[in-house]
Amino acid sequence: TQLLEQSPQFLSIQEGENLTVYCNSSSVFSSLQWYRQEPGEGPVLLVTVVTGGEVKKLKRLTFQFGDARKDSSLHITAAQPGDTGLYLCAGAFLGYGGSQGNLIFGKGTKLSVKP
Amino acid sequence: GAVVSQHPSRVICKSGTSVKIECRSLDFQATTMFWYRQFPKQSLMLMATSNEGSKATYEQGVEKDKFLINHASLTLSTLTVTSAHPEDSSFYICSASLRAPSRETQYFGPGTRLLVL
Repeated sequence: TQLLEQSPQFLSIQEGENLTVYCNSSSVFSSLQWYRQEPGEGPVLLVTVVTGGEVKKLKRLTFQFGDARKDSSLHITAAQPGDTGLYLCAGAFLGYGGSQGNLIFGKGTKLSVKP
Repeated sequence: GAVVSQHPSRVICKSGTSVKIECRSLDFQATTMFWYRQFPKQSLMLMATSNEGSKATYEQGVEKDKFLINHASLTLSTLTVTSAHPEDSSFYICSASLRAPSRETQYFGPGTRLLVL
């Protein structure tokens, strides 16, 4: 059973455009992380959201956590070629390996920003 | 802060040999370390979870005798791929989580590219 769905899987846009990536589940997250991964490297943590309704900003990136803690979004404003990479959301669920802090990863969104 | 290193970054070995990959948390003590495998153009697949001083917990379908995990200290975990075969070629990534209360956030190493000939 896929507990966490991430969309879109692929996104190719022009420099300057805005985009949004979504992460959804039918279960409640105890916390959710967004990572960015470049080819041949490990994922780099962008943000952790814990509280329903929470909004966090990281320069041109805005992260929202749904009020019910079942969904999250990553919005990039005025995308630049340097934003190109694989974006992964990962959620910890109540009652799923919670004692060990296991994360469930989405399939990722491969973003390509063309100059 | 929260830096995780992996060594080696890349390894090529002959079929039948064993390969050890080290994962270290450099500036913090990790409650738990995780080992993932990632195939090209795919997301991360959790292989096992290890806590210092205890046996690792393996995910369904991961052979514990094939992928040996030793978590010797709060800053070091090792993954040994025993009798490696070409199908074991992959990108292996470790991560470490901090002590409570932020245990769910994981910090990843840079990964190890394994190629078995």
